[in-house]
Amino acid sequence: KAGVTQTPRYLIKTRGQQVTLSCSPISGHRSVSWYQQTPGQGLQFLFEYFSETQRNKGNFPGRFSGRQFSNSRSEMNVSTLELGDSALYLCASRTGQEYNEQFFGPGTRLTVL
Amino acid sequence: AQKVTQAQTEISVVEKEDVTLDCVYETRDTTYYLFWYKQPPSGELVFLIRRNSFDEQNEISGRYSWNFQKSTSSFNFTITASQVVDSAVYFCALSEETGANNLFFGTGTRLTVIP
Repeated sequence: KAGVTQTPRYLIKTRGQQVTLSCSPISGHRSVSWYQQTPGQGLQFLFEYFSETQRNKGNFPGRFSGRQFSNSRSEMNVSTLELGDSALYLCASRTGQEYNEQFFGPGTRLTVL
Repeated sequence: AQKVTQAQTEISVVEKEDVTLDCVYETRDTTYYLFWYKQPPSGELVFLIRRNSFDEQNEISGRYSWNFQKSTSSFNFTITASQVVDSAVYFCALSEETGANNLFFGTGTRLTVIP
């Protein structure tokens, strides 16, 4: 099976802009989670989508949003970018059953200038 | 509240040495899962193992072994006969029964294996 894919892999934006990141889960996986990784805060959970519905949300401002499509692909959007949003954004997929291991994609490295 | 502590920020070992990565967790749940992930320089997190709170059996997979002790809230990871390819950042993570299964990660341990 193909793994989790994320596009783009690298992105450079300026403050105030918005950005959309894409994630395609492993075939058959219905749950997609997003994580932000920064040197200062480490790996933090953003949100999880399951069957096109947000199932859980981390402690991030409303500028961070997401959605999931009927084919389980997911996008996350960050509006009004701040310098602190520079990070590696990781997407993970799993079947959706509780406590199954999550499989991560390679990430999108976002740099905000 | 949940918390995962990886006190070792960086570890360096010479190839073929054994190395143990420590993980201590805190949770109020009686049902929870613990994970280890490896993050090589490429950035992708690679799943290594999952253990549930009711299974304290140690596990061995090739050169990797895990020691889960509920009494000390620890889930340590040992690499035997380390190799250069083991160089990576290793993360311990916790998933609780409450909180809808998202992962709480430790801060990671950077392992460098010197040839």
